[in-house]
Amino acid sequence: DARVTQTPRHKVTEMGQEVTMRCQPILGHNTVFWYRQTMMQGLELLAYFRNRAPLDDSGMPKDRFSAEMPDATLATLKIQPSEPRDSAVYFCASGLDRGNQPQHFGDGTRLSIL
Amino acid sequence: TQLLEQSPQFLSIQEGENLTVYCNSSSVFSSLQWYRQEPGEGPVLLVTVVTGGEVKKLKRLTFQFGDARKDSSLHITAAQPGDTGLYLCAVPTGGFKTIFGAGTRLFVKA
Repeated sequence: DARVTQTPRHKVTEMGQEVTMRCQPILGHNTVFWYRQTMMQGLELLAYFRNRAPLDDSGMPKDRFSAEMPDATLATLKIQPSEPRDSAVYFCASGLDRGNQPQHFGDGTRLSIL
Repeated sequence: TQLLEQSPQFLSIQEGENLTVYCNSSSVFSSLQWYRQEPGEGPVLLVTVVTGGEVKKLKRLTFQFGDARKDSSLHITAAQPGDTGLYLCAVPTGGFKTIFGAGTRLFVKA
């Protein structure tokens, strides 16, 4: 089965460092989503793309977070500078932009900022 | 205020017991999805319900969409440890994104 691939699976770094998370969506999917999951807040939508164009990044702190899709096979989420409150599991999901199509999630990047 | 309210938040039961979890809203939806997320993994779609009153079965899991399409339930018969996970209800929106509930965290003890 095709899968969404996220790297790295785990990341531990000190506050102030830049963090880059990568996602390879399923081939042929034209929507890509970035989520953050914590016990307190649950699954929060940070940003999403359709046909590589950003549609909504209102869930993201703009001063430190940025999301891009340099090509159809790669989505990135960057945090600079990172802060301890950014510690969470970050998920990427991809899907198709029609009907009730499901989102297909990667296994996430577990980020710890010390 | 959450668009989708899920209850209970946490549930710990013994293997073999039955359980029901709920997803409620004051809004009407054209469809509703249930996902399951196992520890260390991303959510995986279980089912999509579309018609008011619709019932779908997936082995020991029974999903129902409310008649008014504002709520849904998930019933698990004879729960097993493999059913442990976070159960999320979700609704696709017209803007290509999906709104997720906070989830019910289920733990089934052997």
